[in-house]
Amino acid sequence: EAGVAQSPRYKIIEKRQSVAFWCNPISGHATLYWYQQILGQGPKLLIQFQNNGVVDDSQLPKDRFSAERLKGVDSTLKIQPAKLEDSAVYLCASSSGSGNQPQHFGDGTRLSIL
Amino acid sequence: QKEVEQNSGPLSVPEGAIASLNCTYSDRGSQSFFWYRQYSGKSPELIMFIYSNGDKEDGRFTAQLNKASQYVSLLIRDSQPSDSATYLCAVIKAAGNKLTFGGGTRVLVKP
Repeated sequence: EAGVAQSPRYKIIEKRQSVAFWCNPISGHATLYWYQQILGQGPKLLIQFQNNGVVDDSQLPKDRFSAERLKGVDSTLKIQPAKLEDSAVYLCASSSGSGNQPQHFGDGTRLSIL
Repeated sequence: QKEVEQNSGPLSVPEGAIASLNCTYSDRGSQSFFWYRQYSGKSPELIMFIYSNGDKEDGRFTAQLNKASQYVSLLIRDSQPSDSATYLCAVIKAAGNKLTFGGGTRVLVKP
């Protein structure tokens, strides 16, 4: 079974620029998550989708971050404009459904803001 | 108080010994508990999950859950240098399936 795919693996931009990340979940997984992991910390949930609907975006900085999951499969996460504190690894995860199903993570995108 | 707390470590254990990691959580209604292993520069990898009080064993790993005391632990038996990583405890609360992570415990297994 193919895992969660993410791209790009690395991205370097200057502050105030925009950036987008892409995620393709495990086939058949209805639930998709975006996490932000700052160095030395555990991942923090940014947004959770169930199919193409948003379940939880309470920790998404909506003034600069946006995410969508068209057709309930692939998802993109965008940051515009980026700030220095956005430097982190952005992880995408998916699970087979709601409830207690384990989440499986992609390799992440390491974002550096100059 | 953090929702999920772990000692950041590093926890240094000799090869072949047992590594014992602890995690406490604040929401008494939490239902599901997960341990992820994360190597430096890599993404978290699920190694154990536990839903009921008691012990759950999988190979060299044992997860222990005590809901009354609100802690979950992970034991790694016969520790190997390849077990050197950061171990993340994660909890799903009663409502929804939002996964909340602790800060992780760094484990170093010395040959």
